[in-house]
Amino acid sequence: EAQVTQNPRYLITVTGKKLTVTCSQNMNHEYMSWYRQDPGLGLRQIYYSMNVEVTDKGDVPEGYKVSRKEKRNFPLILESPSPNQTSLYFCASSSGQGRGYTFGSGTRLTVV
Amino acid sequence: GESVGLHLPTLSVQEGDNSIINCAYSNSASDYFIWYKQESGKGPQFIIDIRSNMDKRQGQRVTVLLNKTVKHLSLQIAATQPGDSAVYFCAENMGVSLTFGKGTMLLVSP
Repeated sequence: EAQVTQNPRYLITVTGKKLTVTCSQNMNHEYMSWYRQDPGLGLRQIYYSMNVEVTDKGDVPEGYKVSRKEKRNFPLILESPSPNQTSLYFCASSSGQGRGYTFGSGTRLTVV
Repeated sequence: GESVGLHLPTLSVQEGDNSIINCAYSNSASDYFIWYKQESGKGPQFIIDIRSNMDKRQGQRVTVLLNKTVKHLSLQIAATQPGDSAVYFCAENMGVSLTFGKGTMLLVSP
């Protein structure tokens, strides 16, 4: 089944403790992206990648890092999480420009 | 499930009615638009898309209309069903990224 898989689905952590949210797609898509979703603010792009080793900032990149060492994986790294990063995170992939993204099921992160 | 619907405009309809959800987009250079449906606890799901060289596209029970003059998109759902209850987002494609609207919650009562 074609899908985007994120892990974990739920995570509670403490301020300052580094964490990684994994994302993997099995569709051989070149484009991958991370979004966060907050009430009243909608979906906002954090980082995106057009191909292996090619990443760029989205609208809200502060406090996040990403890597794209292989085509299928696009992990999101929070080096020092803070409470304002409590949010619902989605990874998504696309076959190219001008094509829709397929989204993962989301990761609910709470930073206390 | 997670709440993504706080502070969203809400459209309430009866089962069997037609629903129209509207969206204004911001960039006149956008050339590709998508409607997504998000159910509670799930990620956004692709519904239908349209390119800027079209003004109408139809799918199964759904139609998207694009008015580039006023930068407006609409999603029409025919014979709305309780399973259509969700938050609906429009998104505009600018380069490699999608910019999403704030969303509209559709509530369908039996």
